[in-house]
Amino acid sequence: AQKITQTQPGMFVQEKEAVTLDCTYDTSDPSYGLFWYKQPSSGEMIFLIYQGSYDQQNATEGRYSLNFQKARKSANLVISASQLGDSAMYFCAMREDTPWDSGYALNFGKGTSLLVTP
Amino acid sequence: EAGVTQSPTHLIKTRGQQVTLRCSPISGHTSVYWYQQALGLGLQFLLWYDEGEERNRGNFPPRFSGRQFPNYSSELNVNALELEDSALYLCASSPLGSSYEQYFGPGTRLTVT
Repeated sequence: AQKITQTQPGMFVQEKEAVTLDCTYDTSDPSYGLFWYKQPSSGEMIFLIYQGSYDQQNATEGRYSLNFQKARKSANLVISASQLGDSAMYFCAMREDTPWDSGYALNFGKGTSLLVTP
Repeated sequence: EAGVTQSPTHLIKTRGQQVTLRCSPISGHTSVYWYQQALGLGLQFLLWYDEGEERNRGNFPPRFSGRQFPNYSSELNVNALELEDSALYLCASSPLGSSYEQYFGPGTRLTVT
């Protein structure tokens, strides 16, 4: 079963606008972590932001914030004041804290391609 | 601080051949993860090494194997290459423990013809 779902294959946003990238997850583990990564065309995965399942507040890192709604099992990424350099693939990932099962490996969604236009 | 490095950058192999990919983690990181990113399939977890031991593997056949050296660098070996092994192979490192993000290298792009 798909553990991470990203329903937006592609998104457009105008420069300086905010954009929300959707992510829903599925787990029965009470302890888990949620991550967002950016993958430019060069291929390298760049860590953006992390949210732990027990964190009370939404994570923020500069222009990135994570809208964590635990009851809905969603972890949407909000990018404020988009820049042309934000154009890339964005992946949501989850780590379940069950090292006896999958270790600490990340389960990735299929990604959302974001294009920022002038 | 140097990031995760991988070599080679690109590789072209023929079906049936064997290939070895290399990864050096960030200094101080003991865990190394390997992922495969094939076109249309997203990132799939391959292997996890920590302190020289294979800790877990994803749903891949035994011809995918590897090892981790005392300096925590790692190799991924793929035997009997198949066309569907063509993919970007990404290595990530983290300190051991669940509370840490994984930092990725630039990847090795493997093409099997």
